[in-house]
Amino acid sequence: GAGVSQTPSNKVTEKGKYVELRCDPISGHTALYWYRQSLGQGPEFLIYFQGTGAADDSGLPNDRFFAVRPEGSVSTLKIQRTERGDSAVYLCASSTNRGSSYNEQFFGPGTRLTVL
Amino acid sequence: AQSVAQPEDQVNVAEGNPLTVKCTYSVSGNPYLFWYVQYPNRGLQFLLKYITGDNLVKGSYGFEAEFNKSQTSFHLKKPSALVSDSALYFCAVRVPPIYNQGGKLIFGQGTELSVKP
Repeated sequence: GAGVSQTPSNKVTEKGKYVELRCDPISGHTALYWYRQSLGQGPEFLIYFQGTGAADDSGLPNDRFFAVRPEGSVSTLKIQRTERGDSAVYLCASSTNRGSSYNEQFFGPGTRLTVL
Repeated sequence: AQSVAQPEDQVNVAEGNPLTVKCTYSVSGNPYLFWYVQYPNRGLQFLLKYITGDNLVKGSYGFEAEFNKSQTSFHLKKPSALVSDSALYFCAVRVPPIYNQGGKLIFGQGTELSVKP
């Protein structure tokens, strides 16, 4: 079956602009995660959804970052007034969370965001 | 606080030799540990996990990992390395899930594995 997909694969924007990054999880996965990976670093957690609700948004760096998952499937990460420091690869992951809470997360290929 | 350390930025191995990629962790409570691999321009791929049970965990592509509670380590191993194993490897610990939270992953900084013919 299809894996996690993310669009666009690359996004170049100018400082101060607004961007939206989309994640389409594996069908039937109720849990969805966003991570950010800077060059030479491991992924850092941003936000977690269980169904439609954000169960943990403790990783969002500031109020310029926001994410939604209105129908419990596709999620959109929104970044307002982008800054050069936002440049990174944004990764999305999903998991079943059915039964065991220890299921592995399946990652998408990421969106590379470059803020000029 | 949960944390993961990968002390080696890079590991170089000759093809056919055994490989080890090191990982140590710090957690409150029981650790849930994972290894992922990242190939260039591709997403993270799950290799294996330790939740409970046998300390030696077997995973994809012939990889295995040994959980050592006294040393708080979870080193990734493979008996015979392949050139195609060259990639970036991440160790991760899962924050213990509580009700209505799914347990985010805390990643190490990654280790670049280079296998030469």
